[in-house]
Order: sequence, then C-alpha cells, then structure tokens
Amino acid sequence: QLVQSGSEVKKPGESLKISCKGSGYNFDNDWIGWVRQKPGKGLEWMGIVYPGDSNVRYSPSFEGQVTISADKSISTAYLQWSSLKASDTAMYYCARHRALYDMLTGYDWLDPWGQGTLVTVSS
Amino acid sequence: SSELTQDPAVSVALGQTVTITCQGDNLRSYYPSWYQQKPGQAPLLVIYGKNNRPSGIPDRFSGSTSGNTASLTITGAQAEDEADYYCNSRDSSGNHLIFGGGTKLNVL
Repeated sequence: QLVQSGSEVKKPGESLKISCKGSGYNFDNDWIGWVRQKPGKGLEWMGIVYPGDSNVRYSPSFEGQVTISADKSISTAYLQWSSLKASDTAMYYCARHRALYDMLTGYDWLDPWGQGTLVTVSS
Repeated sequence: SSELTQDPAVSVALGQTVTITCQGDNLRSYYPSWYQQKPGQAPLLVIYGKNNRPSGIPDRFSGSTSGNTASLTITGAQAEDEADYYCNSRDSSGNHLIFGGGTKLNVL
C-alpha cells in the first residue's frame, strides 16, 4: 500500500515537500507516479520516479514547476515545490506505476493509489 | 494528437449495460487503463491492458479497443457504479502518461 503525508495549508511563496511511503512490495523495482486533481476537476499526470536509481520523468506541463524524488532506503517518494502559488491548490495522489510492453504494443497501469494529500495555498 | 477525449457524462438505467468511450490517436499504439473515482475517494483501477481486471473488481466491468477508440463496458450497472471514470494511456511521445477528461456515470 501507499500512505501519503497529511494535509497542508501554506502561503504563496512558501516551500513544501509531501511524501508517499510504500509497503508490502519491493519499492525499489517499480515507478511511483504523482497525479494532481484540482477541486472539481479531472486527473493530471505530473511525472514518475524510479526509486531504484532516482530516475525521474516529468510531464511537459509540470517540468520546472515541481521536483519529484525518492529515497529507497525508507521506501518513500516525494513531491516538492520551492515557491507555491495559489494555483497549486489541489489534491495530490501518488500511485505505483507498472508497465508491460513487447515489440508491438503494451500498457501501463497505476495501482494502488495513496489516499491523497490536500494542499491548500492561500494568503 | 496526444489527447484522450471522453464524453463528460453518461446515464444508464439500473441493471442495464453502458459503454464509456475514450478516443485518441495514441490508442492505436497503447492499450489504456481505466479508473473509477467516487466522491472524496482516491481513484481505483478497474481495467488495464487489453481487458485485465484487478483482483476484487466485479466481472461486469470489461474493456476493449478498436482503432483509436477504447471502451469500458459495465454489463448490468449497479447503483454503486455511479462515479467518475477516467481513461489513461501514453502520449504520442511514448514517454509520458495522459488522462482523459473523465466521464461522470449516472445510474438512474
């Protein structure tokens, strides 16, 4: 399972790091993804981290806006901001990302998901 | 295009069959996954790949793909199936995932 850190209330310009701790499987060997959901809106894929070697891939929409990282020694992935904006107010989910591909095609899936971390940015 | 397009809302009578669709050029190359999200809850994987169901997902949920359109079918919809449903797949670069805009399923 994946357990995320608790809700946060921050002011614009502040920094923040939220976490996602895995258990019950070999955390090193699967990607962990982060997904944003703004109030009343749909899901947005932000990026993924491979805890085994800390390789990170960002969605073009989020590159440069957030930093994704992981510490395999404590089975934890992180999502951080250096300077929050009001528009960062959202629920953030982590999820285990697996993929199966052959020469022709394949697929990805996100399972399980963390319970979500609500981030509120307001002056 | 790297977008996945879903109808915003679909309705189904209790016990009837409903199909939720997801369109995108990248679906010609990659199978999608489907997620159910109920209010106040995290998304839940219901279908992935060609037509795989995780343990615990009822067999009334099934998936299929034809050309650039993927479909999630619920055969005999139940009241507890009322939720938002999202498709997800790789974008045209193959390096990132994208979500469809979501479909709100109303069970009447």
